[in-house]
Amino acid sequence: IAGITQAPTSQILAAGRRMTLRCTQDMRHNAMYWYRQDLGLGLRLIHYSNTAGTTGKGEVPDGYSVSRANTDDFPLTLASAVPSQTSVYFCASSAAGEPYNEQFFGPGTRLTVL
Amino acid sequence: AQSVTQLDSQVPVFEEAPVELRCNYSSSVSVYLFWYVQYPNQGLQLLLKYLSGSTLVKGINGFEAEFNKSQTSFHLRKPSVHISDTAEYFCAVSENNAGNMLTFGGGTRLMVKP
Repeated sequence: IAGITQAPTSQILAAGRRMTLRCTQDMRHNAMYWYRQDLGLGLRLIHYSNTAGTTGKGEVPDGYSVSRANTDDFPLTLASAVPSQTSVYFCASSAAGEPYNEQFFGPGTRLTVL
Repeated sequence: AQSVTQLDSQVPVFEEAPVELRCNYSSSVSVYLFWYVQYPNQGLQLLLKYLSGSTLVKGINGFEAEFNKSQTSFHLRKPSVHISDTAEYFCAVSENNAGNMLTFGGGTRLMVKP
């Protein structure tokens, strides 16, 4: 079934370590997004990409980086993890960089930084 | 910048009772409005959306929402809930000149009891 896959499903990480969360979509969507979900705060946008080769900063980009080398993949990297980055991370995609195109979400990655 | 407030963090309700989940937003321009549902250990899926036109929007699973511009609200309703409606519900807004930026509320956990 077409959709978005994320890996790993969950991860426990020591503070200071580097970590890359993977996201792949097979819907040929132009736009992709990374959110973090924290209790009581809903989802907050970390970074986004309207098309391959371009990226932009969301609401909470500090400590995270992204790349978009091709249409399908949108990895999120934590260069040096800190405990405040403990969260559930969701990748999403949409047909174009317009708000009225539904965003489809992956199953999430639960990250714990100790 | 837009913001979204979901007034209730948790809403307990008995099966077959009606429910209303409240959402208020703040924006200085026209907006698009969305409700997403998140079942346990899953990603988000779109429940319904308001882009323009009729202020009463019908979604999946018997849910509906009404856009009230004067009160800047977009409350979600269902006349009779089922146990399977137990989930987290997120209201989201996008300003129509903000490209692909979705701002989410903090979420409301609907707990349907038998």
